[in-house]
Amino acid sequence: GAVVSQHPSWVICKSGTSVKIECRSLDFQATTMFWYRQFPKQSLMLMATSNEGSKATYEQGVEKDKFLINHASLTLSTLTVTSAHPEDSSFYICSARNRDYYEQYFGPGTRLTVT
Amino acid sequence: GQNIDQPTEMTATEGAIVQINCTYQTSGFNGLFWYQQHAGEAPTFLSYNVLDGLEEKGRFSSFLSRSKGYSYLLLKELQMKDSASYLCAVRDEDYKLSFGAGTTVTVRA
Repeated sequence: GAVVSQHPSWVICKSGTSVKIECRSLDFQATTMFWYRQFPKQSLMLMATSNEGSKATYEQGVEKDKFLINHASLTLSTLTVTSAHPEDSSFYICSARNRDYYEQYFGPGTRLTVT
Repeated sequence: GQNIDQPTEMTATEGAIVQINCTYQTSGFNGLFWYQQHAGEAPTFLSYNVLDGLEEKGRFSSFLSRSKGYSYLLLKELQMKDSASYLCAVRDEDYKLSFGAGTTVTVRA
């Protein structure tokens, strides 16, 4: 149990366009979802926390107008990278948590390349 | 803020034991996690400690000392497939995880 999926697994887009990444909890209700970014050979950095039905909380230094997060249901959160630039190229990973579980479950990640 | 330190790299021989240390200084503590991450993949859960002591799970064990801000992950009977990055992560009261930079373990035949 406790499976989290992400879609797409990889995406290439042109500079200036927007990209949407979906994160779904397949067999549990995710009361909280987290979005991370990982640059090559670096660790995961938390970007934002989203609770179902409320606005996301962004970490310091993360632009909320650039990284739009929506957590409209207990099984789906989306991250939209708006006006993408090459420096946004990274590995984006979501995780999901239900208040009854002690751990977060990670999705498989989305590799974004902006050309 | 959170400050989590772990060694950058470790190398060991197949069949051996390796211990990865993690020290942390955090503004809040609600558990410590160890994850394994292969290149290009998401982290997979290995262990969780919230109380002091040793948690054993097959070939992997994890230890925590909250008073010392210290944890280690012990990998026994190393196999080639254990070559990966191992991430130490501390959770705060808001259930946010802060990750260390990761320790790349290379297992040699």
